[in-house]
Amino acid sequence: SQKIEQNSEALNIQEGKTATLTCNYTNYSPAYLQWYRQDPGRGPVFLLLIRENEKEKRKERLKVTFDTTLKQSLFHITASQPADSATYLCALGRNAGNMLTFGGGTRLMVKP
Amino acid sequence: ETGVTQSPTHLIKTRGQQVTLRCSSQSGHNTVSWYQQALGQGPQFIFQYYREEENGRGNFPPRFSGLQFPNYSSELNVNALELDDSALYLCASSPDSMNTEAFFGQGTRLTVV
Repeated sequence: SQKIEQNSEALNIQEGKTATLTCNYTNYSPAYLQWYRQDPGRGPVFLLLIRENEKEKRKERLKVTFDTTLKQSLFHITASQPADSATYLCALGRNAGNMLTFGGGTRLMVKP
Repeated sequence: ETGVTQSPTHLIKTRGQQVTLRCSSQSGHNTVSWYQQALGQGPQFIFQYYREEENGRGNFPPRFSGLQFPNYSSELNVNALELDDSALYLCASSPDSMNTEAFFGQGTRLTVV
């Protein structure tokens, strides 16, 4: 069955450092992968989308890589800030409709 | 803010009852998806509506049903509520049914007692 794994343990880093979050998947051939941010009690907020034929995407302090051979995506936040503290979700989708399969999320804590 | 609004924000129901959750999609968006998010887990896809027709369905029983209206707003209905239905229910709208970002509402927190 399809499986999407994100680090279930919280990631604690110091302000100013780069946070790297991992998303691994099995038994799935996604057309694209998305990353969302979710704050407690709120809905997810879209951050980045990367397609299967793309290796890397950047947006301001955010960078995502997508390796379809390793079946892995890495999500980086450079120069992290306490305001970046949240849960980050990866989601995979196929071309037949925007129906997303989410991982369990990784909680990021950035300490001042 | 995404422009997607859900109501109510919180709801408490008794096991066996029925519930209707509502979602107003962002202006211009004709696709609405519903997700269930249990505490500490990622959202799970329930179903998607595109131009008033069900466009896809996840692994949820038939007691989970939905509707999309001509103005593209949507309802999620759950019959015969079970304790395990307690979760955050999220609605997401998209400009079309293809691979674009999803705009999520704030969710409805359903507690079944």
